[in-house]
Amino acid sequence: GAVVSQHPSRVICKSGTSVKIECRSLDFQATTMFWYRQFPKQSLMLMATSNEGSKATYEQGVEKDKFLINHASLTLSTLTVTSAHPEDSSFYICSARRGLGEAFFGQGTRLTVV
Amino acid sequence: DAKTTQPNSMESNEEEPVHLPCNHSTISGTDYIHWYRQLPSQGPEYVIHGLTSNVNNRMASLAIAEDRKSSTLILHRATLRDAAVYYCILRDGGGVYNQGGKLIFGQGTELSVKP
Repeated sequence: GAVVSQHPSRVICKSGTSVKIECRSLDFQATTMFWYRQFPKQSLMLMATSNEGSKATYEQGVEKDKFLINHASLTLSTLTVTSAHPEDSSFYICSARRGLGEAFFGQGTRLTVV
Repeated sequence: DAKTTQPNSMESNEEEPVHLPCNHSTISGTDYIHWYRQLPSQGPEYVIHGLTSNVNNRMASLAIAEDRKSSTLILHRATLRDAAVYYCILRDGGGVYNQGGKLIFGQGTELSVKP
């Protein structure tokens, strides 16, 4: 079964509003989680590394103030897309690693901004 | 980040073996080779990973060249459910015990399986 769960799986919001996406590790503690974004027919692009109890580390070109990441516990990281616009419409995916090697990915969140 | 190169797409017939190649000529000595696959509208799924020796699991086999500059993912009998984008990734940013090592995705190979 899934070990990393994302919620919601789909969301439609109005332009200018904010949307929060949750990522939970279900049966293990994750001090580090990762957030990706994927546009149609493209690969996953790493947005940021979420660190429990400290600030997230953003990849170059990703706006920190627009994509707010909070990792308040060892099993939950949240990504908030603030003041969303249609160009933010995308597939957002989180990931966490349990111990060595294998990384687990959430099922993804399809965001549509209208 | 060490880079990987994969063919954009490949085709296979159902129940035949599939060999998905990956070149990673700039791999460093501590980089693990990971393979993930992504079905449409889903998050990626782990397939296999290795360092130097060939690896086998229930899903696939991973053959790693002796110089580690290339690897091949082998699906022994392709099924229609194996149709996906397959990503070959070199794990960045840490050793074996570093939970924080991030995965940087390339373009991957889109595998189609014909009945």
